[in-house]
Amino acid sequence: EPEVTQTPSHQVTQMGQEVILRCVPISNHLYFYWYRQILGQKVEFLVSFYNNEISEKSEIFDDQFSVERPDGSNFTLKIRSTKLEDSAMYFCASSALWTQYFGPGTRLLVL
Amino acid sequence: TQLLEQSPQFLSIQEGENLTVYCNSSSVFSSLQWYRQEPGEGPVLLVTVVTGGEVKKLKRLTFQFGDARKDSSLHITAAQPGDTGLYLCAGASNAGNNRKLIWGLGTSLAVNP
Repeated sequence: EPEVTQTPSHQVTQMGQEVILRCVPISNHLYFYWYRQILGQKVEFLVSFYNNEISEKSEIFDDQFSVERPDGSNFTLKIRSTKLEDSAMYFCASSALWTQYFGPGTRLLVL
Repeated sequence: TQLLEQSPQFLSIQEGENLTVYCNSSSVFSSLQWYRQEPGEGPVLLVTVVTGGEVKKLKRLTFQFGDARKDSSLHITAAQPGDTGLYLCAGASNAGNNRKLIWGLGTSLAVNP
């Protein structure tokens, strides 16, 4: 059964460093998303992407964040200068229509 | 701001008991999805409901979408220890190409043998 994959599974970085989180969505899906979940809190929407452009972004998704679909299979989230409060699980998701399927997540720890 | 309230937040029951988890909002959703999440893993889809009043069954799990598409419930019959986990509801407004999910905080279920 097709699934969303994410790499790396864990990432530890120093405050101020850039990180790139990678996702391979399900191959025939057209909509891609990034969410994050801070420990003990709700899952939060970051950004959605359709037709090679951002279709919606949340207040969290400021200038430090960017997304890219560099080729036909990968979807990346870049955080340019990480802050302590960026520590969270980051989930990629994709959908054909309404139902979103999630990857296993990347646990980001900013020290 | 759209919000989804889930209740109860925590539930501990004995094997064989029935339970219901509720997901409520003052907003209308085009669709609502239920997920189950294990610690340190991504949410795994259980079901999507899209039509007001819709009822879907997945073995011992019964999902219902309210007539007004503002609320949903998950009912588990004869719970088993394998049902232990975090159950999340998430609603989508699906306006155009904007399909972000609004999430509840989740119901942490423990089924004791």
